[in-house]
Amino acid sequence: GDSVTQMEGPVTLSEEACLTINCTYTATGYPSLFWYVQYPGEGLQLLLKATKADDKGSNKGFEATYRKETTSFHLEKGSVQVSDSAVYFCALYYNTDKLIFGTGTRLQVFP
Amino acid sequence: DAGITQSPRHKVTETGTPVTLRCHQTENHRYMYWYRQDPGHGLRLIHYSYGVKDTDKGEVSDGYSVSRSKTEDFLLTLESATSSQTSVYFCAISGQTSGGFNEQFFGPGTRLTVL
Repeated sequence: GDSVTQMEGPVTLSEEACLTINCTYTATGYPSLFWYVQYPGEGLQLLLKATKADDKGSNKGFEATYRKETTSFHLEKGSVQVSDSAVYFCALYYNTDKLIFGTGTRLQVFP
Repeated sequence: DAGITQSPRHKVTETGTPVTLRCHQTENHRYMYWYRQDPGHGLRLIHYSYGVKDTDKGEVSDGYSVSRSKTEDFLLTLESATSSQTSVYFCAISGQTSGGFNEQFFGPGTRLTVL
């Protein structure tokens, strides 16, 4: 069945460092892909999305490109801030009423 | 912020007791979802609803039932709580799926502890 695999965390970075969180997927068709963010004590919020191959989603300095050839949707940011500390979830949606989530990656940014 | 609330926000109960969690929305969205979040598992879908009185199972539905008698409310019931159901439960709403994805908006979560 369809699935999403994310790198395990926690990812620990200093402020202004570069971030990459890996996400790969398995799907029978061509899904839409998403990154959600969960700040401490809160529910999930949509961070960015891409609906077809080669699309780039971006928001708040984060970017992810839908790579069909490598079935990947890696999350990147050039310079992280302490306020980016959160749990990040990769997810896919394909032809159903449901999202499939990865296990989440915790990011900790220190000043 | 999407108008979605969950109650209670925290609950401690004992094994074998029934528990009902409530999700309430003010957005008039068609779709509502219940997830549980556990370390190492991410979010897993328990049940979802695609309209009043229309519900379907998710990947971890055993031990849970749901009801939706009106658009704004989606109830999750644990008929006889077990310690394995200790988790954080999230409700989500969405305006449209089935061929067109609309963003899912999440509630603040309910932390349930079963002793």
